[in-house]
Amino acid sequence: GAVVSQHPSRVICKSGTSVKIECRSLDFQATTMFWYRQFPKQSLMLMATSNEGSKATYEQGVEKDKFLINHASLTLSTLTVTSAHPEDSSFYICSARAGRMNTEAFFGQGTRLTVV
Amino acid sequence: GENVEQHPSTLSVQEGDSAVIKCTYSDSASNYFPWYKQELGKRPQLIIDIRSNVGEKKDQRIAVTLNKTAKHFSLHITETQPEDSAVYFCAASMAAGNKLTFGGGTRVLVKP
Repeated sequence: GAVVSQHPSRVICKSGTSVKIECRSLDFQATTMFWYRQFPKQSLMLMATSNEGSKATYEQGVEKDKFLINHASLTLSTLTVTSAHPEDSSFYICSARAGRMNTEAFFGQGTRLTVV
Repeated sequence: GENVEQHPSTLSVQEGDSAVIKCTYSDSASNYFPWYKQELGKRPQLIIDIRSNVGEKKDQRIAVTLNKTAKHFSLHITETQPEDSAVYFCAASMAAGNKLTFGGGTRVLVKP
């Protein structure tokens, strides 16, 4: 399958600071990327969908000004958690799809964010 | 929007026995139903998927069934092994590669 790389795999930051997470498709061009969040012992919840060159579409209840998503190239999308608070501590994971629908999307390895 | 319910939340089986996990979904427009295995701190790993034009699919010890009329689908793992211990998630989507709505997850423990 295709390779999606996410960086960093773990990050600890102080409350009030911002953290950027990168999601790269290494061997294909990702026209669409999805960002999910997974709290401990819970399921994955979609945060937003981003298409290259367009503004992200956020799910209900997700603050777009707090979770900034940029998908400026076909191989890179970034999620910036601004003014992070301890309740933002979670596992953030991206998935990327090449081309049109009905082709599998591949997950990155996830980023464990801890806000202290 | 789509809502996916998954049961049971935990499942303990003896090695060699079968494990069955069931999911229901709400949106009749969903056509793609993948199952993922997730180990602690790792990404979800796609283990099998089924599309709405198929009622059953099998891959070695793993099988999935889909009843589109009743809006439910199930994962069957036969001859379970300790390495099958993990959290399993079902999901629903309009199509492969589209946004996924996940079930709540099932923690499976296979006892040797």
